Amino acid sequence: SQQGEEDPQALSIQEGENATMNCSYKTSINNLQWYRQNSGRGLVHLILIRSNEREKHSGRLRVTLDTSKKSSSLLITASRAADTASYFCATPTTSGTYKYIFGTGTRLKVLA
Amino acid sequence: DTGVSQNPRHKITKRGQNVTFRCDPISEHNRLYWYRQTLGQGPEFLTYFQNEAQLEKSRLLSDRFSAERPKGSFSTLEIQRTEQGDSAMYLCASSLEGEGAREKLFFGSGTQLSVL
Repeated sequence: SQQGEEDPQALSIQEGENATMNCSYKTSINNLQWYRQNSGRGLVHLILIRSNEREKHSGRLRVTLDTSKKSSSLLITASRAADTASYFCATPTTSGTYKYIFGTGTRLKVLA
Repeated sequence: DTGVSQNPRHKITKRGQNVTFRCDPISEHNRLYWYRQTLGQGPEFLTYFQNEAQLEKSRLLSDRFSAERPKGSFSTLEIQRTEQGDSAMYLCASSLEGEGAREKLFFGSGTQLSVL
């Protein structure tokens, strides 16, 4: 079953606008990761934020983490048509074996 | 190219047939994962290897599914007596073992299975 859910399920914006997507998760975590998936392809790692961090930046990406609310957000600034993809958050389990649980994803469409 | 490689990219089979997929991880990665993804959903965990040891298997995986990773290198996922509900994208991922950034997953392009 999914660990959490992304919100919104789908998002359509114009090129140059910012895109914000949210992720909620259920259990305690050591870190949270965001991945991107282009249609019909595998996932690509974007950014990792540790549980003791509140915000992290990488290029046009900004991730925040609120462990008290068990939520994270991904902001893509100045979006481009090439950012059109599905975005997933993933959390590794902290007990037993180390597996990653993915959310349901946000499908982003950036219109040129 | 030293990324994760999956074969075949597409597989069409008839219900009741057996299929086998192969995954070649990044060579120095000791962790290997199999996931299944259906349209509009996130990847669902199937099983996980550390070196050659299969450490966890999802309850989603029926007895018709089996995975191996001989010698801790490539891995195979076999589905016996396929059913239409097995139609999905099967994703393989690998990672290093360790803290934080070393644990990010590298995915292959997946094998798209269609059961007719």
